[in-house]
Formats: sequence, C-alpha cells, structure tokens
Amino acid sequence: EAGVAQSPRYKIIEKRQSVAFWCNPISGHATLYWYQQILGQGPKLLIQFQNNGVVDDSQLPKDRFSAERLKGVDSTLKIQPAKLEDSAVYLCASSLEGMNEQFFGPGTRLTVL
Amino acid sequence: GESVGLHLPTLSVQEGDNSIINCAYSNSASDYFIWYKQESGKGPQFIIDIRSNMDKRQGQRVTVLLNKTVKHLSLQIAATQPGDSAVYFCAETLTNAGKSTFGDGTTLTVKP
Repeated sequence: EAGVAQSPRYKIIEKRQSVAFWCNPISGHATLYWYQQILGQGPKLLIQFQNNGVVDDSQLPKDRFSAERLKGVDSTLKIQPAKLEDSAVYLCASSLEGMNEQFFGPGTRLTVL
Repeated sequence: GESVGLHLPTLSVQEGDNSIINCAYSNSASDYFIWYKQESGKGPQFIIDIRSNMDKRQGQRVTVLLNKTVKHLSLQIAATQPGDSAVYFCAETLTNAGKSTFGDGTTLTVKP
C-alpha cells in the first residue's frame, strides 16, 4: 500500500514570498491533516479535512495560511506571505473515517530566509 | 535506561537495556492515546495505542502504561536496539472530536 506522498521535500524561500505544499493521502482515507512541526517540538495541527470539508482550522493563521482539498483527495497548503517564524517541517497525515491512527507523509522542510 | 514518572526531552541508553519514556497529557477527557516514533527526515510512525478503559497494552518489545489518575502515559521498550533511536511522541485524542494533540517528544539515543 502506498503511503502519504508530499512534495516538495525541501523548500527555501525569502520572507514575504509565497509557497505551496502538496499532499496525496492514502487511497480511501477520508480524513486529511496538515501539521506544522517546529524543530524540537511535536506536530501542531493546522487544519483537518473530512473529505472536502474543513473540520477544524482553529490553529490555522488565516491571514497568511490557506488550504484546500477541492475533490476530497489531494490537498494543498499555501503560505503567503511567508515569515521567518514559518520555518518548520509541514507534515500531512491521513486516516480512515472515524479512525484515530494517522499515517504521516515524510514532510516538507521549509526554510524562510 | 529509565526515566520513571518525569518527562525528559532526551534519554540515552545502552543497547540491550530497557527504556522507559514518559508523557504527561493535559485533557482528562481524552479517551485514546498513541505513541509515535519519528526518525530523522521522516514523518511520525505509529507504534502502539491504548484506550482510556485500559491500563496496559503490550506489543512486540513495547508496552504502554496509562495512569488516568495523574494523566500520565509511558512507553517501555524492551532490549533497546540501535534502530530504536528516534524521537518518540505521545498523542492524546478526543475520539468524538477526531482531534489529536501531540506532546513535545523525547529523543532516545541508543549507544552500542
């Protein structure tokens, strides 16, 4: 079974630029999560989708972050404009509907200079 | 190679020793807990889970203990191997909300 795919794996941008990350969850997983993981910390939930609807985006900095999952499969997370403190690994995870175990992708390491 | 009770950000053990990694969770309503292992450059990977109606659950070389009275979770790894070196996170979940919250993690280093 293929795992959660993310791209790119690494991205370096300057502050005030924009960036987008892509995630392809495990086939059949209705729930998709985006996490931000700052170095030395645990993942922090940014947004959770159930199919193409948002379940929880309370921790998403909506002035600069946006995410969509238009067809209920792939998802993109965008940051515009980026700040220095956005440097982190952005993890995508998916799970079967109603199940707690999450399957994570390898993450995208973002460096903002 | 033990850190009973107290959460430590790092733990160093000798190969073959047993390891105990601790986690304090915050929400007494959490009803499901998972331990994840995260190796360098990878996403977290499921190790073992436990529901709040249980005190102990065993897997292959790993055991999770849950003490709801003090909101404490521990992960025991038997006969620790170099391949166990990683960061370990506990995650507490409110099943009805479908939401998991991760702890800060413990970096386990296994010395050969």
